[in-house]
Amino acid sequence: AQSVTQPDIHITVSEGASLELRCNYSYGATPYLFWYVQSPGQGLQLLLKYFSGDTLVQGIKGFEAEFKRSQSSFNLRKPSVHWSDAAEYFCAVGAVYSGGGADGLTFGKGTHLIIQP
Amino acid sequence: DTEVTQTPKHLVMGMTNKKSLKCEQHMGHRAMYWYKQKAKKPPELMFVYSYEKLSINESVPSRFSPECPNSSLLNLHLHALQPEDSALYLCASSPRGTSGRVYNEQFFGPGTRLTVL
Repeated sequence: AQSVTQPDIHITVSEGASLELRCNYSYGATPYLFWYVQSPGQGLQLLLKYFSGDTLVQGIKGFEAEFKRSQSSFNLRKPSVHWSDAAEYFCAVGAVYSGGGADGLTFGKGTHLIIQP
Repeated sequence: DTEVTQTPKHLVMGMTNKKSLKCEQHMGHRAMYWYKQKAKKPPELMFVYSYEKLSINESVPSRFSPECPNSSLLNLHLHALQPEDSALYLCASSPRGTSGRVYNEQFFGPGTRLTVL
């Protein structure tokens, strides 16, 4: 079965500094990978996705992520964070079910991003 | 219309009550999902509907009963819930149905915050 590990529960970054959130996945085939952001009490917003092709993907709000098959990683980066980036960030892998359907998401436990002024 | 809407935003119910959560999308998406998210945890998949048919039930207790009356609407009927069922219930949709190994990205609604007393 697929799984996702986000090793950092909390990360604190100063406003204007660069950010990297780590994500490692376990999956037997080419994974479908996603990063979502969730503000308190809100739903999830898709930041970016990787299905195939170029391993560096660009997303919304200035985020990017790089897929590295050799390291089973899909780390999220942003060159300069803003106070409004404070939120919970989830990495997710798309699941393939034995019944033939390819769907559902398996999420990592999330990384809580704190922005210092 | 490019969003998933969920009603109500908040719901408080007793253990003997019957209530329903509603999810709606008008993007022409053919798959819809229910997730449950406990505080400070990632979302967990409950149900998947593809082309208005239930395709995945992740061993959810029968006190949760999903229904997909048409391609735009997804309900979750609640009966005899327990306090531990208190959580944020998230609905999502994706453009294609789940047949075959073609992955869909999922778009989430804002959620319904459920409290069971």
